[in-house]
Amino acid sequence: SQQGEEDPQALSIQEGENATMNCSYKTSINNLQWYRQNSGRGLVHLILIRSNEREKHSGRLRVTLDTSKKSSSLLITASRAADTASYFCATDVLQGGGAQKLVFGQGTRLTINP
Amino acid sequence: DAGVIQSPRHEVTEMGQEVTLRCKPISGHDYLFWYRQTMMRGLELLIYFNNNVPIDDSGMPEDRFSAKMPNASFSTLKIQPSEPRDSAVYFCASSPRQGAYSNQPQHFGDGTRLSIL
Repeated sequence: SQQGEEDPQALSIQEGENATMNCSYKTSINNLQWYRQNSGRGLVHLILIRSNEREKHSGRLRVTLDTSKKSSSLLITASRAADTASYFCATDVLQGGGAQKLVFGQGTRLTINP
Repeated sequence: DAGVIQSPRHEVTEMGQEVTLRCKPISGHDYLFWYRQTMMRGLELLIYFNNNVPIDDSGMPEDRFSAKMPNASFSTLKIQPSEPRDSAVYFCASSPRQGAYSNQPQHFGDGTRLSIL
């Protein structure tokens, strides 16, 4: 199964409301990243949080990380129609030699209604 | 700066044909990744390269799939022969040199939507 799993699978809210998405993972990580994917486009990196960090902000985005629960959340405040997209969490997988690869969750499909 | 460039954007071909997908990473990036995205399986890592050398190809589904990176500015993913179940969106991504703890984000192209009839 996927290392990261997002919850909910789909979320529909009114413009101006806050949107919260959650991600759970199974193994220890060095960092966790969130990405956005607009329809028909590639993924775009939003924010990275290290395992020794608990919270991080970037504009209207707020990410939290709880390593004891192996979970993270992404909060988008004051949502806009342009925030409509799928959001993915990705965790690193340590490999021999120090090189890492990312494992992506299935994503949360966010729809902002005007 | 130009982002990751993939071609073609769309490909429709018949079962049994050879398919070649192309990727130009961001200049100066050391890592290149090939992913496949489907509704059923989500985003799967197929293979990745470091400085043009394949590091992990454990995600390559079958011998029908092969990937090369002849130089730092070009990579190909080839499927031969193609099958209908290969239909998916294939993404290429690149990232700068990784630190000790993979702290670099990946930059994705807009993908190739592949349909095998």
